[in-house]
Amino acid sequence: DTEVTQTPKHLVMGMTNKKSLKCEQHMGHRAMYWYKQKAKKPPELMFVYSYEKLSINESVPSRFSPECPNSSLLNLHLHALQPEDSALYLCASSWLGAGQETQYFGPGTRLLVL
Amino acid sequence: AQSVSQHNHHVILSEAASLELGCNYSYGGTVNLFWYVQYPGQHLQLLLKYFSGDPLVKGIKGFEAEFIKSKFSFNLRKPSVQWSDTAEYFCAVNGAAGNKLTFGGGTRVLVKP
Repeated sequence: DTEVTQTPKHLVMGMTNKKSLKCEQHMGHRAMYWYKQKAKKPPELMFVYSYEKLSINESVPSRFSPECPNSSLLNLHLHALQPEDSALYLCASSWLGAGQETQYFGPGTRLLVL
Repeated sequence: AQSVSQHNHHVILSEAASLELGCNYSYGGTVNLFWYVQYPGQHLQLLLKYFSGDPLVKGIKGFEAEFIKSKFSFNLRKPSVQWSDTAEYFCAVNGAAGNKLTFGGGTRVLVKP
């Protein structure tokens, strides 16, 4: 089973709202990732969690706040977003260790900021 | 820093034609290489990957890719495409310490029936 699930599938929010995206995997992976994908563009890495600790932050604005409550769950808390933050937000997970870093992606949450 | 370049942004071909998508990367160390596919309205799926060993790797749906270290390339091929291969294809590299995956710009493939 290589399934990563994400909720919600779609989200519309105003610039003053607070919302959260959720990602879950049950493959025992110890690395989880958030990516942002704009239309007709490749995914861009935002955050990496390794063993539930934030290991990479790609200079993402603080209005995006990741959280990894346990090894199966990854959240992305959103606050005071801008319309240009509208995009597909992808979660991925992988094993850690040489030769095991294949990332498996969820279906994404399509976010629209009004 | 690692980077990935995909030469073709759009490819249009007819069913049964052969497909080859180019991918070049820049990174001086050991790399892990991937091809992902994104079908219309669907999520990214892994087509194939190369970590080590035989440089010719076979993936799902009849796809294969060849790693040529001297050319820093990892080109994707399929001998005979089908209409259902219409999708966007992304080459990706993980070479730096840790697990940072860098994607190429993607190639949109349209297969005409």
